[in-house]
Amino acid sequence: QQQVKQSPQSLIVQKGGISIINCAYENTAFDYFPWYQQFPGKGPALLIAIRPDVSEKKEGRFTISFNKSAKQFSLHIMDSQPGDSATYFCAASKGGNEKLTFGTGTRLTIIP
Amino acid sequence: KAGVTQTPRYLIKTRGQQVTLSCSPISGHRSVSWYQQTPGQGLQFLFEYFSETQRNKGNFPGRFSGRQFSNSRSEMNVSTLELGDSALYLCASSLSSTSVNTGELFFGEGSRLTVL
Repeated sequence: QQQVKQSPQSLIVQKGGISIINCAYENTAFDYFPWYQQFPGKGPALLIAIRPDVSEKKEGRFTISFNKSAKQFSLHIMDSQPGDSATYFCAASKGGNEKLTFGTGTRLTIIP
Repeated sequence: KAGVTQTPRYLIKTRGQQVTLSCSPISGHRSVSWYQQTPGQGLQFLFEYFSETQRNKGNFPGRFSGRQFSNSRSEMNVSTLELGDSALYLCASSLSSTSVNTGELFFGEGSRLTVL
């Protein structure tokens, strides 16, 4: 049973545009929602994370929007740049547990 | 500060063999987790060790095992390899104690295993 559903599978965005990736979760016990960025040949790296006590968190050009009632969260990348081209994974965990349940990933391509 | 180091980076095995992968966490990190990454299944949790004890385990068969040493270094072993075990095996460490959990995992670059 996939507990974190991520969409779209792939995304192409013009340079300077907004990239939006969505995730939905099923387990209401999840209380930590990170986004990881992975470049080819590298391991995933934490980009930004949110806990359910806030509805939005912004770090530079990256924003997480969180909707607890809908059990959804999304990543917005403003002013997308070619260097943002990577695979993005949403994830969730519960109770301070180190086990992360990952979404299936979104391959983002920023074109000039 | 050195990152998470995984060895070997690439290896090729044949069906039925076994393999051992090694992970050195970031200095001071006591939690080590292992994940399997495949194109079809994405990133799947294998197990997590903290202070030499397995704290969490994913839904993988008993052929997959691991351990952690007193210096927090960890190894994972896969016995009786199957073609479907071909994957990128990622190790992640975190600054985790029994009472405080930052929730952030730092991943290594992985060990790419090919089973022929």
